[in-house]
Amino acid sequence: GIQVEQSPPDLILQEGANSTLRCNFSDSVNNLQWFHQNPWGQLINLFYIPSGTKQNGRLSATTVATERYSLLYISSSQTTDSGVYFCAVGSSNTGKLIFGQGTTLQVKP
Amino acid sequence: DSGVTQTPKHLITATGQRVTLRCSPRSGDLSVYWYQQSLDQGLQFLIQYYNGEERAKGNILERFSAQQFPDLHSELNLSSLELGDSALYFCASSASWATDTQYFGPGTRLTVL
Repeated sequence: GIQVEQSPPDLILQEGANSTLRCNFSDSVNNLQWFHQNPWGQLINLFYIPSGTKQNGRLSATTVATERYSLLYISSSQTTDSGVYFCAVGSSNTGKLIFGQGTTLQVKP
Repeated sequence: DSGVTQTPKHLITATGQRVTLRCSPRSGDLSVYWYQQSLDQGLQFLIQYYNGEERAKGNILERFSAQQFPDLHSELNLSSLELGDSALYFCASSASWATDTQYFGPGTRLTVL
């Protein structure tokens, strides 16, 4: 099945810094989502982005489907951005999502 | 708030017992998914239902079963519980059966003692 790799596994930033999180996948996909899991365990949907570029406030994402990777950009990071960021992909005619292992982000004040 | 509701939020039970987790999808969504998040396995897909029918199955144990009812809510039944079943169980929903945004509920944290 599809393999999903996220990097880096851990990231520590000072408030106000920018960061880029990467997601590599091993096969073509028809579904790709980015999630933020906050310290309370909630999984918050950030982007549905199987291809192209999207922006939402300080966050943006780009997926280059032909090269099998996606990037999540966080600008001017805030302490509330802390948590785990997951990339999840789907490739079948079902909605099954395969998750990466996540990037744990800590933003220090 | 994603619009997906799950009950209960927390569940503590003993080995060998059976529990039922409940999920109500977002209004209008026909697909319901169940995922398990554990420390050693990460987030794993268990099963998908679309408009009452099973659509896809992942690495779901035989001790686990699920169903989606005519009103589209879903239940995940876990039986003969083992210590290793302790995990966070998420329900998600989407409008269609495949390429669509999935919205996740708050999860049910199951602790098996």
